[in-house]
Amino acid sequence: QKEVEQNSGPLSVPEGAIASLNCTYSDRVSQSFFWYRQYSGKSPELIMSIYSNGDKEDGRFTAQLNKASQYVSLLIRDSQPSDSATYLCAVGGTTSYDKVIFGPGTSLSVIP
Amino acid sequence: NAGVMQNPRHLVRRRGQEARLRCSPMKGHSHVYWYRQLPEEGLKFMVYLQKENIIDESGMPKERFSAEFPKEGPSILRIQQVVRGDSAAYFCASSPFNRGTDTQYFGPGTRLTVL
Repeated sequence: QKEVEQNSGPLSVPEGAIASLNCTYSDRVSQSFFWYRQYSGKSPELIMSIYSNGDKEDGRFTAQLNKASQYVSLLIRDSQPSDSATYLCAVGGTTSYDKVIFGPGTSLSVIP
Repeated sequence: NAGVMQNPRHLVRRRGQEARLRCSPMKGHSHVYWYRQLPEEGLKFMVYLQKENIIDESGMPKERFSAEFPKEGPSILRIQQVVRGDSAAYFCASSPFNRGTDTQYFGPGTRLTVL
């Protein structure tokens, strides 16, 4: 059974700090990795996707992937109260018959 | 380019009635996924469909639930004889290609309330 785990929350950080969200996955052959943000009562929205080892930066967000350790993380720099949401890690397969597996999510609260 | 559309946005049913949830994928997308989210819980995969084909229904309850994605028209998630435990948000997502690696784009969801 393929699994995706995320660090348990809720995570609280002060405004302006760096928020670090972690995710591990069980399937070694996974090829695609996604971070979604979900505000309360809303649908998930894609923040970033990453496919290769290393870092990928987009504005205040940096995704880090380490396939050898089966680990993917999301860093949010200069955290803002508007970043307060649940962050979902999702891991994709390699064939057309694979489905994307979502982690349970980590709730982030940015304190003004 | 219109996003993923779901309707109705809110649906109220009494126990024993049927619920039909509709999802129109983004233009050009031929792959649809349905998820259920209970209050304060994570997304739970239900079913993955391509046009006229169910690829993976491992997350679907064995009874009362069914899904289809016809050649023409939206994908339908059907829940027969609803019970209070079916109350949840149901999200549909779509992706463009037939690879498990593709980004999924989510619709706004249907909030089902069973009285």
